[in-house]
Amino acid sequence: TQLLEQSPQFLSIQEGENLTVYCNSSSVFSSLQWYRQEPGEGPVLLVTVVTGGEVKKLKRLTFQFGDARKDSSLHITAAQPGDTGLYLCAAGIGGANNLFFGTGTRLTVIP
Amino acid sequence: NAGVTQTPKFQVLKTGQSMTLQCAQDMNHNSMYWYRQDPGMGLRLIYYSASEGTTDKGEVPNGYNVSRLNKREFSLRLESAAPSQTSVYFCASSNRAGAGLNYGYTFGSGTRLTVV
Repeated sequence: TQLLEQSPQFLSIQEGENLTVYCNSSSVFSSLQWYRQEPGEGPVLLVTVVTGGEVKKLKRLTFQFGDARKDSSLHITAAQPGDTGLYLCAAGIGGANNLFFGTGTRLTVIP
Repeated sequence: NAGVTQTPKFQVLKTGQSMTLQCAQDMNHNSMYWYRQDPGMGLRLIYYSASEGTTDKGEVPNGYNVSRLNKREFSLRLESAAPSQTSVYFCASSNRAGAGLNYGYTFGSGTRLTVV
């Protein structure tokens, strides 16, 4: 059983389109992070959110943390081929000393 | 470049062979982690070391051992490799562990292990 559920699993869109991917859990997160992983590489941290309702922007990427700290979304505006990759959410839950990772959303942006 | 270095990048083992995966970080991070990544399963924690001198089991520790050699280095050992251990292994480090964790992980580029 996955603590973190990500949706959709796969997403293929045309360059210039907008998209949103989701990360949900039945548990309350102490913090949540989003990573992007490219083929043959390790995940790279994009953002950390810690406060319920928090919104952070990173150029064309907007990250939102749910008010109850059980869910998060990543919205990409005007997607570009360089956005292609596996997007992973990861959360600190309870008193755990490590992050739990979702299974990811694999995004392909077609030129 | 600063970061997490993993060796080797690729390895093929026969069932029953042993090997050690090496990981070193030069960011003076306190905590280090070993994950495996399998299709459809995401990243699963094998072992972690919250600080130098301590190690703890993660979600999938069976068949593995670890050593936190010093603050920089954290190795993962497979004593008797099995085909089920075919995976991509990632080492990561962070500045701290604990409740309310909000320090990002820095990952290495991975070791692709095949056990035949």
